Amino acid sequence: AQSVTQPDIHITVSEGASLELRCNYSYGATPYLFWYVQSPGQGLQLLLKYFSGDTLVQGIKGFEAEFKRSQSSFNLRKPSVHWSDAAEYFCAVGVDGYNKLIFGAGTRLAVHP
Amino acid sequence: NAGVTQTPKFRVLKTGQSMTLLCAQDMNHEYMYWYRQDPGMGLRLIHYSVGEGTTAKGEVPDGYNVSRLKKQNFLLGLESAAPSQTSVYFCASDSGRGTDTQYFGPGTRLTVL
Repeated sequence: AQSVTQPDIHITVSEGASLELRCNYSYGATPYLFWYVQSPGQGLQLLLKYFSGDTLVQGIKGFEAEFKRSQSSFNLRKPSVHWSDAAEYFCAVGVDGYNKLIFGAGTRLAVHP
Repeated sequence: NAGVTQTPKFRVLKTGQSMTLLCAQDMNHEYMYWYRQDPGMGLRLIHYSVGEGTTAKGEVPDGYNVSRLKKQNFLLGLESAAPSQTSVYFCASDSGRGTDTQYFGPGTRLTVL
């Protein structure tokens, strides 16, 4: 069965520090992978997506993610976190023609000044 | 261009009451989706539609019905609300092309007492 695992429920970093959020997926075919961000009380906004080609994907707000097929991972990174990055982050895999999304449980990011 | 809008933003129901959540999109998207978000579980797909007049079941369809009478609208109905349906409900839409981004509405917070 398809699934997405985000091992870290909560992460706290200091402003200016680097960030890596982990995502592992289980899917038999070539995955379409997504990272979304949700600010408190808001809907989800797409940060980046991977369909094919270069395994290092650049997104909005200075985020990037790397697809590693051998590890079934799609980790999200940012070199220097800003206080405004505090939010919940969701990894998702697109299945059944890639329009149906399976989401991970999310990682809540807190940023200390 | 309002994107994806949801009505209402908040609602409190008593067990056994019925209600309808309305989702509207102005992007001429073919596909529309209803998700529910529960703590620690990410988003789960309830129902979706691949075009006007069509609907299909997602991961967690029990207790919900949907209709897509107009391309721009996707309605989610609860015929007899239960406390287990207390959740935040998100609507989303996309063009139906596998590489397209899903755009999310701001959510409806529903409490069933």
